Amino acid sequence: QKEVEQNSGPLSVPEGAIASLNCTYSDRGSQSFFWYRQYSGKSPELIMSIYSNGDKEDGRFTAQLNKASQYVSLLIRDSQPSDSATYLCAVCVSGGSYIPTFGRGTSLIVHP
Amino acid sequence: SAVISQKPSRDICQRGTSLTIQCQVDSQVTMMFWYRQQPGQSLTLIATANQGSEATYESGFVIDKFPISRPNLTFSTLTVSNMSPEDSSIYLCSISDGYNQPQHFGDGTRLSIL
Repeated sequence: QKEVEQNSGPLSVPEGAIASLNCTYSDRGSQSFFWYRQYSGKSPELIMSIYSNGDKEDGRFTAQLNKASQYVSLLIRDSQPSDSATYLCAVCVSGGSYIPTFGRGTSLIVHP
Repeated sequence: SAVISQKPSRDICQRGTSLTIQCQVDSQVTMMFWYRQQPGQSLTLIATANQGSEATYESGFVIDKFPISRPNLTFSTLTVSNMSPEDSSIYLCSISDGYNQPQHFGDGTRLSIL
């Protein structure tokens, strides 16, 4: 079974710090990787997609993909209390799919 | 990106009753899905809603309990039948951007069964 693993947290960081969220996946042939943010009581919102090795930056967010080590990370620079949420990692497995496999999510708390 | 409208946003229902959740998209989409998210858990796929044919259910979910309709490329419904407290959950519809592309979610329906 294809697995996507995340530390459930909570990860607590002070305001202004860099939050680092990690995700590992079991299927070496996975092709597409996504990060979602989910506020309490709300639905998941796509914040980053990454498809090739390396870094992809979008504002305060950077996604990092290392296919050899089978992990994908999300860095949040200058963390704000409004970033406090659960972050879900999702992976499209080898062979391709319309349906990503979702991790259980990491809870992030940014304290003032 | 497409706007996904889901209703009701929340409901409190009695045990043994059924509730139909609607999902409307403002543009035609090929792939629509229904998920369940239980408290503190990640997303669990219930089924893929297929236009013009029966939905494709994941292991552990059956049509009698979760009948799904998909009459066209912009609309789908999920019915939660003969509800029990274990069905208390958030139900989400989603659409896909395409093969190996991300999904996007509606606002969800928070369902509580008494």
